[in-house]
Amino acid sequence: QSALTQPASVSESPGQSITISCTGSSSDVGGYDLVSWYQQSPGKAPKLMIFDVNNRPSGVSNRFSGSKSGNTASLTISGLQVEDEGDYYCCSYAGGATWVFGGGTKVSVL
Amino acid sequence: EVQLLDSGGGLVQPGGSLRLSCAASGFRFNTHAMMWVRQAPGKGLEWVSSITGRGADTFYAASVKGRFSVSRDNSKDTLYLQMDSLRGEDTAIYYCARGRSEGAVDWFDPWGQGTLVTVSS
Repeated sequence: QSALTQPASVSESPGQSITISCTGSSSDVGGYDLVSWYQQSPGKAPKLMIFDVNNRPSGVSNRFSGSKSGNTASLTISGLQVEDEGDYYCCSYAGGATWVFGGGTKVSVL
Repeated sequence: EVQLLDSGGGLVQPGGSLRLSCAASGFRFNTHAMMWVRQAPGKGLEWVSSITGRGADTFYAASVKGRFSVSRDNSKDTLYLQMDSLRGEDTAIYYCARGRSEGAVDWFDPWGQGTLVTVSS
């Protein structure tokens, strides 16, 4: 299956909010509430930030939130901080025990 | 502390084979599905394979089906990925990751540190 569609990059000033979109289809994002988001810093392994569309794992800041509408999921980071810089990937269940990731979004804090 | 340690990567010629390992600690290994995810240089993440906690069921991405085989040894808390008929497009960092429960993936947490596989002559 094709990768989910994410914007290549998003930039914003410290303290502001950004929203990263993740667009799929009714066969993945729109069909299941199994969307997760991962943060990856350069040279590091990805880290789970949001699971099941809008749930935060223990230890993840409440500045991170997730949502979904139709075939598009979104990750919002509020009160942007320099430490939030990195690449962000969405992931969705795609049926038949398969999973599909988005192409990734590079977040820059100006 | 839950930890996953990936190993086994290296340089291999096209058509060759390699076996990756992922040693788990800090949790009951057989109660979690496990996955392999790869990342080509400068590219995004790609799910490769999953296996249920007891190893009864395995699943593969179309790009590796028939060439890769996932397995686990629950007595050694270790996950494996046997990669055969390797191609240049298999060049990537390979990460293992833990799923939600024995039979369900649902999300990937945590991840190993990754091991680099380079397929080149």
